[in-house]
Amino acid sequence: EDKVVQSPLSLVVHEGDTVTLNCSYEVTNFRSLLWYKQEKKAPTFLFMLTSSGIEKKSGRLSSILDKKELFSILNITATQTGDSAIYLCVIHNAGNNRKLIWGLGTSLAVNP
Amino acid sequence: ETGVTQTPRHLVMGMTNKKSLKCEQHLGHNAMYWYKQSAKKPLELMFVYSLEERVENNSVPSRFSPECPNSSHLFLHLHTLQPEDSALYLCASSQEAYNEQFFGPGTRLTVL
Repeated sequence: EDKVVQSPLSLVVHEGDTVTLNCSYEVTNFRSLLWYKQEKKAPTFLFMLTSSGIEKKSGRLSSILDKKELFSILNITATQTGDSAIYLCVIHNAGNNRKLIWGLGTSLAVNP
Repeated sequence: ETGVTQTPRHLVMGMTNKKSLKCEQHLGHNAMYWYKQSAKKPLELMFVYSLEERVENNSVPSRFSPECPNSSHLFLHLHTLQPEDSALYLCASSQEAYNEQFFGPGTRLTVL
């Protein structure tokens, strides 16, 4: 069965800490992996990853994909309270009718 | 207006009512999506439209009926809903199907 598993489910850190969020997957026909950030509203796009080993970076956030081990990580350095959100991982799977498989998300709380 | 808009933002309805949710995107995208988001569950993709044709329908009960009259508008018609249908309904759009999605603010639906 196709699945996406994110870990940890929740995380509490202090401002300035560095965090690493994980997304592992098992899908029939991988096309891409996307990361989104969801605060109290709709998800906003962070990264799309299609190739292994190529880091995507945006400010303090970065992400990388390992297609051999079937996972991706999202790193946030020097965390700020504004980073508090749920971080969602989704796989675009071309293998069957279920094209987009979402993880449950990691709930990150950054305390001052 | 820019981005993806949804109306209404909040809706309370009885089980015998008929209502419609509206989504409009001002991004010139070709694909639109309906999602259901319930507490402690992954985002559930309900329908995907690409160039006004439905390309995905994930076993959604017939009491939910989508309509895509053109590439900028998407509706979700609701009738005889159940209390368990109470959730946040999110609309999204993307340039091409299954790429980076832009989400609307959602409609918070409560079925009494």
